[in-house]
Amino acid sequence: GENVEQHPSTLSVQEGDSAVIKCTYSDSASNYFPWYKQELGKGPQLIIDIRSNVGEKKDQRIAVTLNKTAKHFSLHITETQPEDSAVYFCAASNERRESNFGNEKLTFGTGTRLTIIP
Amino acid sequence: EAGVAQSPRYKIIEKRQSVAFWCNPISGHATLYWYQQILGQGPKLLIQFQNNGVVDDSQLPKDRFSAERLKGVDSTLKIQPAKLEDSAVYLCASSLRGGGARETQYFGPGTRLLVL
Repeated sequence: GENVEQHPSTLSVQEGDSAVIKCTYSDSASNYFPWYKQELGKGPQLIIDIRSNVGEKKDQRIAVTLNKTAKHFSLHITETQPEDSAVYFCAASNERRESNFGNEKLTFGTGTRLTIIP
Repeated sequence: EAGVAQSPRYKIIEKRQSVAFWCNPISGHATLYWYQQILGQGPKLLIQFQNNGVVDDSQLPKDRFSAERLKGVDSTLKIQPAKLEDSAVYLCASSLRGGGARETQYFGPGTRLLVL
């Protein structure tokens, strides 16, 4: 099955600086890579995702890059703000077009605790 | 729009006792997921329902865990008997049509279980 590794496990960044979190995956068939943000006492919330037919996607201060050859993808947060402090999870799955549901479960990384220092 | 509701938020039990968690997904969402999140790890899927049918329960420890979604709306997850290693946060999520990971999954706040 799929195995997702995530680094670093903790990251402290000065407010206004950039933060980068990296993940690698093992299954070359994986083609969907979402990122989730989990705040204290809450469930994970999707913040951005990327599919294997593109190499980069950006949404305001958040961007994700994907290198299919090396099987790794990264989350980039620019101009960090205190409200960016949270645990971030990457995930991977194989979306099979012929399947309407099932067998496409997300495999999550172990998480990165991001702390923004004011 | 109301989000995914879960109860209780916290539960402390002794090993070998039984416990049940409840989840009410977002109205109209056909697919419901239960995840186990052990401290310091990412969520792990336990079971996925499409309406009231089970789509994937390959990672559910069926000797002690059970789940149902009888009317295709809310769901309960039960552990009987509980073990120390079951201490975790149990997350419920739902998605609209059930396109697997293709669709956005909306998570509830979770139930934090501590087994003593």
